[in-house]
Amino acid sequence: AQTVTQSQPEMSVQEAETVTLSCTYDTSESDYYLFWYKQPPSRQMILVIRQEAYKQQNATENRFSVNFQKAAKSFSLKISDSQLGDAAMYFCAYRSDSTSGTYKYIFGTGTRLKVLA
Amino acid sequence: DSGVTQTPKHLITATGQRVTLRCSPRSGDLSVYWYQQSLDQGLQFLIQYYNGEERAKGNILERFSAQQFPDLHSELNLSSLELGDSALYFCASSVLEGRTDTQYFGPGTRLTVL
Repeated sequence: AQTVTQSQPEMSVQEAETVTLSCTYDTSESDYYLFWYKQPPSRQMILVIRQEAYKQQNATENRFSVNFQKAAKSFSLKISDSQLGDAAMYFCAYRSDSTSGTYKYIFGTGTRLKVLA
Repeated sequence: DSGVTQTPKHLITATGQRVTLRCSPRSGDLSVYWYQQSLDQGLQFLIQYYNGEERAKGNILERFSAQQFPDLHSELNLSSLELGDSALYFCASSVLEGRTDTQYFGPGTRLTVL
């Protein structure tokens, strides 16, 4: 069975600095998708970035980028120029690929990011 | 705003009662997922529907059931409620087409069982 592990329950970063959140996963599948979701105090789940396992190029969305290491089964999120609004819980998620239309999403336990002014 | 709506936002009820949570997916999305998030916990997948049919089941209790209607909205029914059922319940929707499928989450329904 697939698992997703976020080993950092909490992280802090100074405003304007860079922080990296870690995520590792375990799977026997070769094709899958990985996601980072942000959950601010409002509790809304917001998609931050998505990575297809078959793509070697790391995904980037403005200040957010990932370091995807398929062999190591590692998927870290880098936030550059951190802003106060980045303070939130961040969840890493794995989605299996499927031809049957049944997609299984597995979420990590989350990392709480604090941004210090 | 993800385009996924959930009602009600908050629900307070007593043990032993039954409640219904409602979700309307984004326009064009055929698939609906339900998740439970207990306090300071990650998301636990409950169940997935696609175009009215159940597609996948996760850690859903027998006291819980769901359905997706012809207009694609979905309802999650929770019965014989216990204190431990207090949680945030999320609905997410996706197109469920091809490899680029991505879930978009609603704002959640906070259920408090007293």
